[in-house]
Parts: sequence; C-alpha cells; structure tokens
Amino acid sequence: GNSVTQMEGPVTLSEEAFLTINCTYTATGYPSLFWYVQYPGEGLQLLLKATKADDKGSNKGFEATYRKETTSFHLEKGSVQVSDSAVYFCALTPSGSNYKLTFGKGTLLTVNP
Amino acid sequence: DSGVTQTPKHLITATGQRVTLRCSPRSGDLSVYWYQQSLDQGLQFLIQYYNGEERAKGNILERFSAQQFPDLHSELNLSSLELGDSALYFCASSVGVGLAGGNEQFFGPGTRLTVL
Repeated sequence: GNSVTQMEGPVTLSEEAFLTINCTYTATGYPSLFWYVQYPGEGLQLLLKATKADDKGSNKGFEATYRKETTSFHLEKGSVQVSDSAVYFCALTPSGSNYKLTFGKGTLLTVNP
Repeated sequence: DSGVTQTPKHLITATGQRVTLRCSPRSGDLSVYWYQQSLDQGLQFLIQYYNGEERAKGNILERFSAQQFPDLHSELNLSSLELGDSALYFCASSVGVGLAGGNEQFFGPGTRLTVL
C-alpha cells in the first residue's frame, strides 16, 4: 500500500539555522506530494506541493523537490525563524485517486531565539 | 483561520457512549473530509462526502458513521466508544472532489475526544 516515512523528531534548531526534514514515500505510479504544517492549537495548513517528478514546491522560504528516482520529497529552509516552530507533515495522494491524503507521522520543529 | 469550523473543541466521555462531532465547511466548498489523528496511528483519512453523497472511505470503523446534510455541514458519529478512540478529529473541506489541479483541502481546528 501507500505510505510516507518522515524523519523522527523532535528537531531543535537555533534561529537562522538550515533546516532539512527528510521524507520518503512508497506508492505506485506518480503520486502528488505535499507538506502540511500544524501550528500549536490549530488545524493543518498546506505549505507546498508538487504534482510531478522534478517539480519544486516552494512557499514562505520552504522548498521541496519531487525526486522520483529516490522516492523522496525532503523539506528545506535556508534560515529558520522562531515562528516556524510547528509540526510538519509530509503527505501524498496516489495517482488515479485524488482525494485521500496519506500522511507521515509528523516532525516537531522547535526553533530557539 | 481556514474558514472551516468544528464543534465542540473538546469532548470528554466514557467508554460505551456515543458522540457526534460537527463540521461546517468553508463557504462554497462542496467536499468534506474527516481525519483522525492519534499518537499511535498518526493522521488517518476516515471518510469523504461530496454534495451530500459519500465519495470515499478510508480506515473508518463500523462503529463510526458520517453524513453530510443539504446545507453541506457534516457530522461524524462515534458509537460504543473505546479508550483507543481518544484522538483529535479533523474535518477538511475543498471546492471539488479531489486534489487534482490544486484543489486544496482546508482543515478545521479539530475536536479533541477523550474517552475515559
């Protein structure tokens, strides 16, 4: 079946540090890939997405590139801020089925001033 | 604020009981999705409705049911509750039936269910 594996957290960084959160997936065909962010006490928000191989999604300084050859969609940001502290979820929808999101377990990021 | 509202925010109940969670989608959205977030299972898709009709089912237990009403709000009914049903239940909505072409799902703040 389809699955998403994220690096285990928590991740603690200092402000302005470089962030990488690894995400790999298992799915047949060409899934669409997403990163969602959940701030404390809130629901999930779509951060960025990529719908085909080699696409790069980007938003708010975050980037992720859809790598078919390594089945990966790692999230990166060059300089994190305290306001980036949240839980980050990698997710996919399999090709041919465009409604059901399959999520990774989530990675808690804490950024210290 | 995503525009998706969920009530109640918190719910505490006992094993064996039945509860109803309510979701109002964003104005104009026809599709509603329910997800369960628990520590051991993570975030799991439960069920989707589009314009009043069930469109997709995920890992939803037989003790759980849902419906979408003519005004497009949705209710998730959980019965014969067990300790393991304690979780955060999210509702999401989107304009259409899926995610193709950037049809984003907007999530509500969730209902935290505690079964004692």
